[in-house]
Amino acid sequence: EPEVTQTPSHQVTQMGQEVILRCVPISNHLYFYWYRQILGQKVEFLVSFYNNEISEKSEIFDDQFSVERPDGSNFTLKIRSTKLEDSAMYFCASIPRSGSYIHEQYFGPGTRLTVT
Amino acid sequence: QKEVEQDPGPLSVPEGAIVSLNCTYSNSAFQYFMWYRQYSRKGPELLMYTYSSGNKEDGRFTAQVDKSSKYISLFIRDSQPSDSATYLCAMSVLGNNNNDMRFGAGTRLTVKP
Repeated sequence: EPEVTQTPSHQVTQMGQEVILRCVPISNHLYFYWYRQILGQKVEFLVSFYNNEISEKSEIFDDQFSVERPDGSNFTLKIRSTKLEDSAMYFCASIPRSGSYIHEQYFGPGTRLTVT
Repeated sequence: QKEVEQDPGPLSVPEGAIVSLNCTYSNSAFQYFMWYRQYSRKGPELLMYTYSSGNKEDGRFTAQVDKSSKYISLFIRDSQPSDSATYLCAMSVLGNNNNDMRFGAGTRLTVKP
């Protein structure tokens, strides 16, 4: 069964450093998403991406965040200058096609980001 | 009041028990309701979704929505140790807009053999 993959599974970084979290969505999917889940808290939407541009973003997704699809397969989330409060699980998700409902999205296993 | 409230548990039941998981919400505009299962170190996996009010059954799982009370439930019959996971409720107004999707904090369930 096709699946969304994410690397690394765990990233430890120092405050102020840049991190790039990587995702490989399912190959024929068109919409891509990033969510985050701070430990013990709810999953929160960050950003959606379609046709090489951001479709929607939440208030959390400020200027420190950026997303990119550099090579047609990877989908990356960059945090320019990490803060302690960026420590969380980051999930990538993808949806097959335009008009898909949100319940059709597939989630990756997540990257645990720890900022020290 | 939080937009979506879910008791985090933990909830521990013996194998074979009926499990009831619940969420309440404050936004009456929510129309799409979803339940996700999340195993340790894995992403959320969709279990069931419903639109508007009513019940939906899929095998041992039943999802129930009561929009008048702003209350949704997931029932698991004949629970198995493999059902041990965190269960997340999620809801949305439009169903196709991730920016309006709201998750509960998740309930951790353990089913003991």
